Amino acid sequence: DTGVSQDPRHKITKRGQNVTFRCDPISEHNRLYWYRQTLGQGPEFLTYFQNEAQLEKSRLLSDRFSAERPKGSFSTLEIQRTEQGDSAMYLCASSLEQGLEGQPQHFGDGTRLSIL
Amino acid sequence: LAKTTQPISMDSYEGQEVNITCSHNNIATNDYITWYQQFPSQGPRFIIQGYKTKVTNEVASLFIPADRKSSTLSLPRVSLSDTAVYYCLVGASPGGYQKVTFGTGTKLQVIP
Repeated sequence: DTGVSQDPRHKITKRGQNVTFRCDPISEHNRLYWYRQTLGQGPEFLTYFQNEAQLEKSRLLSDRFSAERPKGSFSTLEIQRTEQGDSAMYLCASSLEQGLEGQPQHFGDGTRLSIL
Repeated sequence: LAKTTQPISMDSYEGQEVNITCSHNNIATNDYITWYQQFPSQGPRFIIQGYKTKVTNEVASLFIPADRKSSTLSLPRVSLSDTAVYYCLVGASPGGYQKVTFGTGTKLQVIP
């Protein structure tokens, strides 16, 4: 399978703990995105990378959140000092920037985070 | 970012054609229109994308009128497995898909 892969699929942790999620995009895709989705809502944009450069961050991405894509391939999203409100599905997507064509994003199946 | 408006939910019987309309009155000149499908506990799955007129692929058709202020996703002969949430998005290209806004989508329930 050459789709977007996310690990772990589920994470349960106690409030105040740090968590890290990993995303492996489609191999030739140079753009990588992180979203958060809560129950009954559509995904909300958090941040995106063009290769290894983090080009934009949403205001939703507080200083407890950090994302990296060190080699322009996989990415990690870390949440420090987790809070109850961080409980959500965290989705990763990737796309290929290719000239002037609009390239859709391809999503992984997410990591569901539950804060106890 | 262009805001989209979709019906919250729709019901359809199996075998019928389903049309879901999305309003995007503030669409910009270089915005594309993209539709995604999402099943519970899965990530959104790309269905179809277009800029103007009509686009058709193996699973759906997308109708976009000349003013591009709305678009209609058409699903032919739906089955129970088409029960899902459908999102309409607009985003600019090139390089403008980085901040797509999903909205709450349309929950389609297919009835036997």
